Amino acid sequence: EPEVTQTPSHQVTQMGQEVILRCVPISNHLYFYWYRQILGQKVEFLVSFYNNEISEKSEIFDDQFSVERPDGSNFTLKIRSTKLEDSAMYFCASTPEGLSYEQYFGPGTRLTVT
Amino acid sequence: LAKTTQPISMDSYEGQEVNITCSHNNIATNDYITWYQQFPSQGPRFIIQGYKTKVTNEVASLFIPADRKSSTLSLPRVSLSDTAVYYCLVGDMNSSYKLIFGSGTRLLVRP
Repeated sequence: EPEVTQTPSHQVTQMGQEVILRCVPISNHLYFYWYRQILGQKVEFLVSFYNNEISEKSEIFDDQFSVERPDGSNFTLKIRSTKLEDSAMYFCASTPEGLSYEQYFGPGTRLTVT
Repeated sequence: LAKTTQPISMDSYEGQEVNITCSHNNIATNDYITWYQQFPSQGPRFIIQGYKTKVTNEVASLFIPADRKSSTLSLPRVSLSDTAVYYCLVGDMNSSYKLIFGSGTRLLVRP
């Protein structure tokens, strides 16, 4: 069964550094998402992406965040200058067109900002 | 987006049927009801989705009464591996594709 993959599984970075989290969505999917989950808290929507554009973003997704689909397979989330409060699990998800609520999540990247 | 209310936690034993009820009194006409499962340190996993009456798949059943103000996820004969957090989500797929997760129900299955 096809899966969403994410790398790295764990990233440790210092405050103020830039990080790029990588995702490979399922190959025939067209919609891509990033969510995050701070330890012990709810899963929070960050951004959705379709046709090389951001479709929707939350208040969390400020100017420090950006997303990109640099090639036909990868989908990345960049945090320009990390803060302690960015420490969380970051999940990538994807869906084929027309099945938006059946989203396929990756295993996540645990980001620790020190 | 309709607000949902679920029990914070539930306990069960292996082999039992588990029913988790979600209340969504303000559900709108175009809203669908979707359930996700999440194991510790993993991404959420889609379980089932419905609009009204009953939906069944190989994993679970979803019961939705006529007024749609609540829904019940039914897990037949749970095993230890069903220990997870279960989320009920309600939303209009035509207006937004983002998933809004609540706190979910933490199900513990005991031997």
